[in-house]
Amino acid sequence: EIVLTQSPGTLSLSPGERATLSCRASQTVTKNNLAWYQQKPGQAPRLLIYGASNRAIDIPDRFSGSGSGTDFTLTISRLEPDDFAVYHCQQYSSTPLTFGGGTKVEIK
Amino acid sequence: EVQLLDSGGGLVQPGGSRRLSCGASGFTFRTYAMSWVRQAPGKGLEWVSSISGRGDKTYYADSVKGRFTISRDNSRNTLSLQMNSLRAADTAVYYCAKEKDSSGWWDYWGQGTLVTVSS
Repeated sequence: EIVLTQSPGTLSLSPGERATLSCRASQTVTKNNLAWYQQKPGQAPRLLIYGASNRAIDIPDRFSGSGSGTDFTLTISRLEPDDFAVYHCQQYSSTPLTFGGGTKVEIK
Repeated sequence: EVQLLDSGGGLVQPGGSRRLSCGASGFTFRTYAMSWVRQAPGKGLEWVSSISGRGDKTYYADSVKGRFTISRDNSRNTLSLQMNSLRAADTAVYYCAKEKDSSGWWDYWGQGTLVTVSS
C-alpha cells in the first residue's frame, strides 16, 4: 500500500499569499498518477488536479500541481478567500487507492 | 449537468446492516466506473470500493472486504453499497463518486450520506 504524507498539517496564510502544499509517497507513484482535491466544511471533495499537473475543468490557473516519483506539490499562487479549505492528495498508481491525511489552509 | 445523489444513511446498531444508494444523472452511467469513498468524523478520506462500468469487476479495501458489496443497476442509473456486520469504525460520511475513464480518480462526487454505527 502506498502511504501518502501531507505537510504541513495546517498552513496559516493571508489572502494574496502563496500556498505550497506537499504530498510525499512511501513508494514511487508511477505515471504521475496523483490527484488533488479541495474540501470545504460540510461539502464533498472537489477535483482540482489529476495526473499530478493537469487542472480539472473550471479550476482557476492560480492552482498548479507539480512533482513526480515520490514528491508532489500543490501551489496556490495567490490565495483568495474562497481557497481556505482542506486539500487532499490521492494516488491511483496502485490499489488500494489511498489519500493523504490532508492539509488545512486557514486564514492567518 | 452531472448529478450524484447519495441516500440511505442513518443510525445502525453494531453488527447490523445498511444499504446505501446513489442515483446518477447527466452522463452515460453505464460507461463509467463508480466508487464509494468514506470519511470518518474529523478524519481524512478513505477509498472503500469500486465497480466497473459493466459491473463485472469489483474492488474493495481490506477494511470492508467480505462485509460490504458494491453493485450497480445500469438500467436505473443507480449505484449501491450493501454494508453488513457494521462496526463502530464504519461510522462515516459515505460519498459516491464517478471515476474518470476508469482512471482511479474521481471528477464528480455526491453530497454524501452519514452512517452512524452505535448502540
